[in-house]
Amino acid sequence: AQTVTQSQPEMSVQEAETVTLSCTYDTSESDYYLFWYKQPPSRQMILVIRQEAYKQQNATENRFSVNFQKAAKSFSLKISDSQLGDAAMYFCAYRRSVNDMRFGAGTRLTVKP
Amino acid sequence: DAGVTQSPTHLIKTRGQQVTLRCSPKSGHDTVSWYQQALGQGPQFIFQYYEEEERQRGNFPDRFSGHQFPNYSSELNVNALLLGDSALYLCASRRLGGLRDTEAFFGQGTRLTVV
Repeated sequence: AQTVTQSQPEMSVQEAETVTLSCTYDTSESDYYLFWYKQPPSRQMILVIRQEAYKQQNATENRFSVNFQKAAKSFSLKISDSQLGDAAMYFCAYRRSVNDMRFGAGTRLTVKP
Repeated sequence: DAGVTQSPTHLIKTRGQQVTLRCSPKSGHDTVSWYQQALGQGPQFIFQYYEEEERQRGNFPDRFSGHQFPNYSSELNVNALLLGDSALYLCASRRLGGLRDTEAFFGQGTRLTVV
């Protein structure tokens, strides 16, 4: 079974600074996808960034980037130049091919002005 | 283009009752998945519908059932409600058929409270 672990229930960052959220996963597969989703108080899950396991290059989306370590089964999210609007729950998720996603327990990010 | 829409947004039911939640996928999407998100936890996969059939199922009892219609919309039914069924129910859609598998888009969820 695939499991996703987020070991940081809560994180805090000062506005304009950088924060890294951790995620590890367990799988015996070689082909899969990893995601970071953001869930603000509005409850809607919003895709932040996606990584295909076969790609060695780390994905980047504007201020968001990942550090994907396939051998270590680690997938961390770095948020640069943090903004107040980044405050939310962040979920790491795993998906194998057409199968559906498995989520971690989430990390609550607070951004201090 | 409307995204994924869910109805109702909030619902209160009594233990033992039955409930039906509805989801309309994003335009162009043919696959609908349902998730249960208990307070303070990550979403848990319930099941996935594609071509009007249940294709995958998570670790949920038979009290949870679903349906997908020819227009790709979907329903989640829960029978014999328990207090522990209180949660946010999320619907996600994506396009599975065709040449390219697309990302999943989520609705805003239905908050179910069982009293």
